[in-house]
Amino acid sequence: AAGVIQSPRHLIKEKRETATLKCYPIPRHDTVYWYQQGPGQDPQFLISFYEKMQSDKGSIPDRFSAQQFSDYHSELNMSSLELGDSALYFCASSLDRSTGELFFGEGSRLTVL
Amino acid sequence: GEDVEQSLFLSVREGDSSVINCTYTDSSSTYLYWYKQEPGAGLQLLTYIFSNMDMKQDQRLTVLLNKKDKHLSLRIADTQTGDSAIYFCAEIPGGYQKVTFGIGTKLQVIP
Repeated sequence: AAGVIQSPRHLIKEKRETATLKCYPIPRHDTVYWYQQGPGQDPQFLISFYEKMQSDKGSIPDRFSAQQFSDYHSELNMSSLELGDSALYFCASSLDRSTGELFFGEGSRLTVL
Repeated sequence: GEDVEQSLFLSVREGDSSVINCTYTDSSSTYLYWYKQEPGAGLQLLTYIFSNMDMKQDQRLTVLLNKKDKHLSLRIADTQTGDSAIYFCAEIPGGYQKVTFGIGTKLQVIP
């Protein structure tokens, strides 16, 4: 069965650089979520999209932006990277956002040097 | 994870039962969840319980919900080494569409 695809799996950037993460949800899933998980931390909600519109916003820094495209894939853009942005970034999708049944991708590990 | 509390670590012997506990704060949460995360992997939904239920059983997993105390537990019967992972309790706080996770409980199964 198709799963949530994230790319790249690993990314190394320097401070003040820019990074873009991509997420391809499961087909027919209309909601995409982005989570950030620091080392030994729980996943922190960043932002979500429903039918290509932003539906909820969490602790996403102003330096970050995201969007969902017409094919439902989503991109998380991170600018002016800081050391503290080093984390695992998970994308999840759902078919019915009211149930909270999220299907997670394998994550993109961002390391900022 | 400020609204969902879990103990950080649990160690059990293979074959024993594991009980992972969670306290949540939003009484209007409609669903409560248990997610599992293996090292280097994404989160996998294990099971969830609707807020009007007090128990749900799914093979080796039993979820107990005490709404009065806002307490959720996950019991894993006959724990196996493959159950070693981090288990996250999660909820959707009222008025939101996002899933909020607890800090996670690391389950270590000793052979």
